[in-house]
Amino acid sequence: AQSVTQLDSHVSVSEGTPVLLRCNYSSSYSPSLFWYVQHPNKGLQLLLKYTSAATLVKGINGFEAEFKKSETSFHLTKPSAHMSDAAEYFCVVSDNSGNTGKLIFGQGTTLQVKP
Amino acid sequence: DVKVTQSSRYLVKRTGEKVFLECVQDMDHENMFWYRQDPGLGLRLIYFSYDVKMKEKGDIPEGYSVSREKKERFSLILESASTNQTSMYLCASSFEGTGDFYEQYFGPGTRLTVT
Repeated sequence: AQSVTQLDSHVSVSEGTPVLLRCNYSSSYSPSLFWYVQHPNKGLQLLLKYTSAATLVKGINGFEAEFKKSETSFHLTKPSAHMSDAAEYFCVVSDNSGNTGKLIFGQGTTLQVKP
Repeated sequence: DVKVTQSSRYLVKRTGEKVFLECVQDMDHENMFWYRQDPGLGLRLIYFSYDVKMKEKGDIPEGYSVSREKKERFSLILESASTNQTSMYLCASSFEGTGDFYEQYFGPGTRLTVT
């Protein structure tokens, strides 16, 4: 069965410093992995996705994530945080077992960016 | 641009009322999903549908039902609302999955309060 664990429920960084949001996954199949972002009072927006092509995936707004099979990790990074990055971030794994299109969400990480 | 709309942003209902949440997508997606989002729990799947009149239970279907009479519309029904159903409800849609690509597009959410 697929599952995903976000290792931090809350991360606080200063503007201009690097961002690291950690995610570990468990999957019986070759996984598809996603990061979604949710700004306050907004719907979820796809940041980036890994679908077995390049292991380093670049997304929108300067974010990227690296798929590491040996570590079963898919951590999200950004070199320099901006105030507008403050939001909740979800690491997501697809349930590829039944071709149903189901996604399994982590618990979420709230990113706070201090001026 | 894919657009997923939900009938209400905020809704207040009384215990025992029957509640309808509506979701419409304009991208001819086969799959549609209903989630509820609670702090610290991420998104949990209530029901999903992969075709008109087809539905499958997700992880937390108790107390809910769904209806999909047209491809673009997916309704979530709370037969008798209870206070523990106070939550944010998110609708999503996606193309029928083949291989490993299951990106879902989300609506803005409905914040339901049951008093």
